[in-house]
Amino acid sequence: DVKVTQSSRYLVKRTGEKVFLECVQDMDHENMFWYRQDPGLGLRLIYFSYDVKMKEKGDIPEGYSVSREKKERFSLILESASTNQTSMYLCASSTEWEGRDGYTFGSGTRLTVV
Amino acid sequence: GDSVTQMEGPVTLSEEAFLTINCTYTATGYPSLFWYVQYPGEGLQLLLKATKADDKGSNKGFEATYRKETTSFHLEKGSVQVSDSAVYFCALRGGMRFGAGTRLTVKP
Repeated sequence: DVKVTQSSRYLVKRTGEKVFLECVQDMDHENMFWYRQDPGLGLRLIYFSYDVKMKEKGDIPEGYSVSREKKERFSLILESASTNQTSMYLCASSTEWEGRDGYTFGSGTRLTVV
Repeated sequence: GDSVTQMEGPVTLSEEAFLTINCTYTATGYPSLFWYVQYPGEGLQLLLKATKADDKGSNKGFEATYRKETTSFHLEKGSVQVSDSAVYFCALRGGMRFGAGTRLTVKP
């Protein structure tokens, strides 16, 4: 019954590496989202996408990029990983961006950059 | 811009105690409001929602009422259980803006 799948639960990467975080949803949702979760800060929106090949910046896009080549897949890219990008990353999807039915979340990827 | 302010935690209660977690928001228009719950090691799950003023969302014994006049959406439960221990997030517009989260621990 898994609906939003994030490819890795834990990742350890080195400073300067290019990192790809993958997210796949099987609900045919138009909208997909990437967040980072840090203690005391809640969830902060990095990027979202409302259609294939479309993307919008969220609140903290610096140091990140995204790719959405297919409707079901939304990738988050750290071009050159830094230690301040160590965090929990959550992917979500929804039928509409204002999400009157709420968002469906993946289980998260805990990324450590050393 | 939009913002969500949530009661700071952590909150520790004994089993069967009454729970309130405060949430207030600032936003243009009348956004839909949500509570999500995150159990240890998991992603967020939708707990309840309200899409217009005076709506009451409810699920698993939790309730929250959309109060336009006070721009609030406080989460309540009459009798908490150990299994309710989790982090609770208030959000608006589905998930476009989240509060900081409140960690609840319920002791037997």
